[in-house]
Amino acid sequence: GNSVTQMEGPVTLSEEAFLTINCTYTATGYPSLFWYVQYPGEGLQLLLKATKADDKGSNKGFEATYRKETTSFHLEKGSVQVSDSAVYLCALSERGATNKLIFGTGTLLAVQP
Amino acid sequence: EADIYQTPRYLVIGTGKKITLECSQTMGHDKMYWYQQDPGMELHLIHYSYGVNSTEKGDLSSESTVSRIRTEHFPLTLESARPSHTSQYLCATQWSYEQYFGPGTRLTVT
Repeated sequence: GNSVTQMEGPVTLSEEAFLTINCTYTATGYPSLFWYVQYPGEGLQLLLKATKADDKGSNKGFEATYRKETTSFHLEKGSVQVSDSAVYLCALSERGATNKLIFGTGTLLAVQP
Repeated sequence: EADIYQTPRYLVIGTGKKITLECSQTMGHDKMYWYQQDPGMELHLIHYSYGVNSTEKGDLSSESTVSRIRTEHFPLTLESARPSHTSQYLCATQWSYEQYFGPGTRLTVT
């Protein structure tokens, strides 16, 4: 079945460091891919998305490219801030009637000043 | 963008009590979902609905039940709460391939 695998956390970085959170997927067909962010005590917010191969999603300085050949959707940011501290969840949407989301396990990012 | 509301935000309740977690949305979306989130952050789908009078169980078995009598309302009920039900419960609605989440209810059963 479809699945999403994320790198385990927590990831601890200093402010202005470069961020990469790895995400790979297994899916039949061509799913849409998403990154969600969850700040402490809140629900999930959609951070960015890509709907087809080679698409690049971007938002708030974060980027991720849909790589079909490596079945990956790694999240990157060039310079993290303390306010980026949160849980990041990678997800895919199954195409078809259900369109259910399959989530990875989430990666906790802690940015220190 | 969807507006999704969940109440209460926090609930501490004793074992054996009946509880209902409320979820409502204002955008008229047909698809709605309930997730249970572990302390380790992983989300598990426990219920979903594709419209009025449509409800299905999700991937994770749950003792909770749901109803969908109105498009905008998707409550989750636990008839008899137990400590094993302690968790974060997230409600979501969907438009196209995107899901929009409410703020969540953090339930603690003592």
